[in-house]
Amino acid sequence: GENVEQHPSTLSVQEGDSAVIKCTYSDSASNYFPWYKQELGKRPQLIIDIRSNVGEKKDQRIAVTLNKTAKHFSLHITETQPEDSAVYFCAAEYGNKLVFGAGTILRVKS
Amino acid sequence: EAQVTQNPRYLITVTGKKLTVTCSQNMNHEYMSWYRQDPGLGLRQIYYSMNVEVTDKGDVPEGYKVSRKEKRNFPLILESPSPNQTSLYFCASSLLAGRPEAFFGQGTRLTVV
Repeated sequence: GENVEQHPSTLSVQEGDSAVIKCTYSDSASNYFPWYKQELGKRPQLIIDIRSNVGEKKDQRIAVTLNKTAKHFSLHITETQPEDSAVYFCAAEYGNKLVFGAGTILRVKS
Repeated sequence: EAQVTQNPRYLITVTGKKLTVTCSQNMNHEYMSWYRQDPGLGLRQIYYSMNVEVTDKGDVPEGYKVSRKEKRNFPLILESPSPNQTSLYFCASSLLAGRPEAFFGQGTRLTVV
């Protein structure tokens, strides 16, 4: 069935270090993979997305990589800052639905 | 300003008392959906709507109803709420199913006692 697994569930890094969050999906027909950031008490907001016709996309300190063969994609945050602390969700499009991973709590320690 | 508006933001109710959470978007989006967020489970889709009068079940539709009589509105109805429906609910809209960006409402914190 439609499934997105996300790891790790929590991640603590020192300010300035990099953070990597990984997701795997089950349906090889999925073509769209967004990442959402949710700060405490707020709504999820899109931070970056990737479509299946590219392998990598970057936007300043964040990047997403996609391996369609292995059916996994990853979020990379470089030079982490305290304001990067939040819950991050990956998602995969399955037909008319967006299926989310369980989320990763990222804590950036200053 | 482009936005998705949910009401109420917080609601405490008793088991069995029907309630409606409203959702409205001003972006002329075709696609709207409802999610519930629970710790460790992420965002799970309850129902979605591809357009007016077109709705379909998501992954966790039991105990919920929706309607899409107008393009901008997509209310979530709990006919007989139960404690296991205590959760944080988000409405979202997008041009197509989840893309290019799903805009989320502010969330509704529901507690059923």
